[in-house]
Amino acid sequence: QITLKESGPTLVKPTQTLTLTCTFSGFSLRTSGVGVGWIRQAPGKALEWLALIYWDDDKRYSPSLKSRLTITKDTSKNQVVLTMTNMDPVDTATYYCAHRPPWGTSLVFDPWGHGTLVTVSS
Amino acid sequence: NFMLTQPHSVSESPGKSVTISCTGSSGSIASNYVQWYQQRPGSAPTTVIYEDSQRPSGVPDRFSGSIDSSTNSASLTISGLKTEDEATYYCQSYDRSTYVVFGGGTTLTVL
Repeated sequence: QITLKESGPTLVKPTQTLTLTCTFSGFSLRTSGVGVGWIRQAPGKALEWLALIYWDDDKRYSPSLKSRLTITKDTSKNQVVLTMTNMDPVDTATYYCAHRPPWGTSLVFDPWGHGTLVTVSS
Repeated sequence: NFMLTQPHSVSESPGKSVTISCTGSSGSIASNYVQWYQQRPGSAPTTVIYEDSQRPSGVPDRFSGSIDSSTNSASLTISGLKTEDEATYYCQSYDRSTYVVFGGGTTLTVL
């Protein structure tokens, strides 16, 4: 059974850097084709993809947020870390991490973690 | 940038069928697979369709997906609607420049 869990601060101040950790089980980031992605959802808004890291350390970022994002993995700890710099109140959202299965060529995310709500406020 | 456009909301009665569309802004939506996610209030999204028309195990066959190249659209059809199908549904695909793209979501009301 694959599970993912997001962790990190629930409140950050404007201009600060957000660091979120996704801790997973049931799969390995050493497996060819596997990836872990980050997706966020502002209150009442649609899903927005942020970043994705693959088993081979290939990294992809949302073009609109690329300058602010860094995604890394620690295979030995089964963790993926996302950092987002220069946080702003518009970045207030629930942040999800999700598993990218190794099968097929589609970019499906399944399953997802429960998400963590991050509020940006002074 | 590549975008996926969905209707904001749809509604239908229990037992009926409903189709939710997802239209690509450019290129051919048939060139890259489309996924559909269901999100109930307060919960994380779950996959109901992947690779245009494939159902994950555990998803009832009332859910089906298709591609219409003539309208550059993907569709999610839910037949035999149940009140438990009330949720927001998101399509998602891939684009070489934007990479992962989500639609704006469609809220389904079963009344």
